[in-house]
Amino acid sequence: AQTVTQSQPEMSVQEAETVTLSCTYDTSESDYYLFWYKQPPSRQMILVIRQEAYKQQNATENRFSVNFQKAAKSFSLKISDSQLGDAAMYFCAYKNYGGSQGNLIFGKGTKLSVKP
Amino acid sequence: ETGVTQSPTHLIKTRGQQVTLRCSSQSGHNTVSWYQQALGQGPQFIFQYYREEENGRGNFPPRFSGLQFPNYSSELNVNALELDDSALYLCASSSRVNSGYNEQFFGPGTRLTVL
Repeated sequence: AQTVTQSQPEMSVQEAETVTLSCTYDTSESDYYLFWYKQPPSRQMILVIRQEAYKQQNATENRFSVNFQKAAKSFSLKISDSQLGDAAMYFCAYKNYGGSQGNLIFGKGTKLSVKP
Repeated sequence: ETGVTQSPTHLIKTRGQQVTLRCSSQSGHNTVSWYQQALGQGPQFIFQYYREEENGRGNFPPRFSGLQFPNYSSELNVNALELDDSALYLCASSSRVNSGYNEQFFGPGTRLTVL
């Protein structure tokens, strides 16, 4: 069975600085998707960034980028120029290629605080 | 375009009771997934509905059941509630239009407390 591990329960960053959140996963599959989701206090999960395992190029979305290391099964999220609105729980998630659309496997999350 | 909505926002039940949670999918979406998020944990996949049929299920007992209606809205029913069922229940909708991954859009969740 696939697992997702986030080893940092809490992280803190100064406004305008850069922070990296870690995620490792375990799978025997070669094709899959990886995601970072943000869950603010409003509780609504928001997709931050997505990576397809077959793509070697790391995904980037504005201030958010990932470092995808397939061999090491590592998928970290870098947030540049941190803003107060970035404060939230961040979840790393995995999905097998194909199969049910909904079967995302989440880590336990990292709580990010942003200091002004 | 209306996003995913869930009702009620909060709910308190006692052990042994039954509960129904509701989800309205985003306009144009035909697939609904349900997740359980216990306190301090990541969401866990319960099941998914596509065209009114269950299309994938996680490791949850049969007392967790669901429905999807012709308008693609969905219900999650939980019978014989247990204390461990206390959690945030999230609904997510997506549009299954191709064989790739179609982004899921989450609702704000229903907070269920079982006493």
